[in-house]
Amino acid sequence: EAQVTQNPRYLITVTGKKLTVTCSQNMNHEYMSWYRQDPGLGLRQIYYSMNVEVTDKGDVPEGYKVSRKEKRNFPLILESPSPNQTSLYFCASSWTGAAETQYFGPGTRLLVL
Amino acid sequence: AQTVTQSQPEMSVQEAETVTLSCTYDTSESNYYLFWYKQPPSRQMILVIRQEAYKQQNATENRFSVNFQKAAKSFSLKISDSQLGDTAMYFCAFMHSSNYQLIWGAGTKLIIKP
Repeated sequence: EAQVTQNPRYLITVTGKKLTVTCSQNMNHEYMSWYRQDPGLGLRQIYYSMNVEVTDKGDVPEGYKVSRKEKRNFPLILESPSPNQTSLYFCASSWTGAAETQYFGPGTRLLVL
Repeated sequence: AQTVTQSQPEMSVQEAETVTLSCTYDTSESNYYLFWYKQPPSRQMILVIRQEAYKQQNATENRFSVNFQKAAKSFSLKISDSQLGDTAMYFCAFMHSSNYQLIWGAGTKLIIKP
C-alpha cells in the first residue's frame, strides 16, 4: 500500500530535550516536505526537499533541522524543543514537486512542556 | 510575499445543499498552482482539487468544482449535493511554479447537517 508514515504519532517532551520525528514514504517520490498546523493559522511549511541531499527552508524553519540522506526518509529534528513548537506536524511527499498531488502522513502531535 | 485568505472560519449547510467556500490570494506572478485540501476529523489531509493558473477552464472533480477568477485572484470551491462525509476543514493553498513552497490559508470548517 502506497503510504507516508510518521513516528511517533504522539509525543510529550520537555524543553531542551532533542527529538526526531521520522517520515518515510514507499512511493519513490522525489519531493518531501514538513508542515506544522496550528489553530487559526492553517499549515505552514517548515522545510522541503526536492531530492536526496537537497533541502530548502520553508516559511518557519527556525528551531528545526532536516536531512535527506535516502530518498524514502525525511526526518525532522528539533535540537532544543521549546513550548512554541507544540503543534501538529505533517510530512508529505509527491513525485516531482508540490504541484503534483501530495500524499500526507497521519500527523504527529507534539507537546513540549 | 504570497498570502492566501479564507474569509469564512466556519460554515454549515443542510445535507444535499450546495455550498461555496471562498479563497483569495495575493501574488504578482502569473504562473502558479492552486489547491483545495480537505481535512476530516481523522486529521488526514486529502487533495480535493487542483488548478493550474494558465488553464482558463475551471477544474472539476465529481461534486467538487472551482470558480477560478485569475484577475480577481479568487479561487472558490463549490460542493454540490453535499454529503455528511463532506464535514471537514477545507484549506486553500497556493504554489508558485518556480519554487516549491506551499502557502496555506487558515481553513474553513464546514459542517454538513442531516
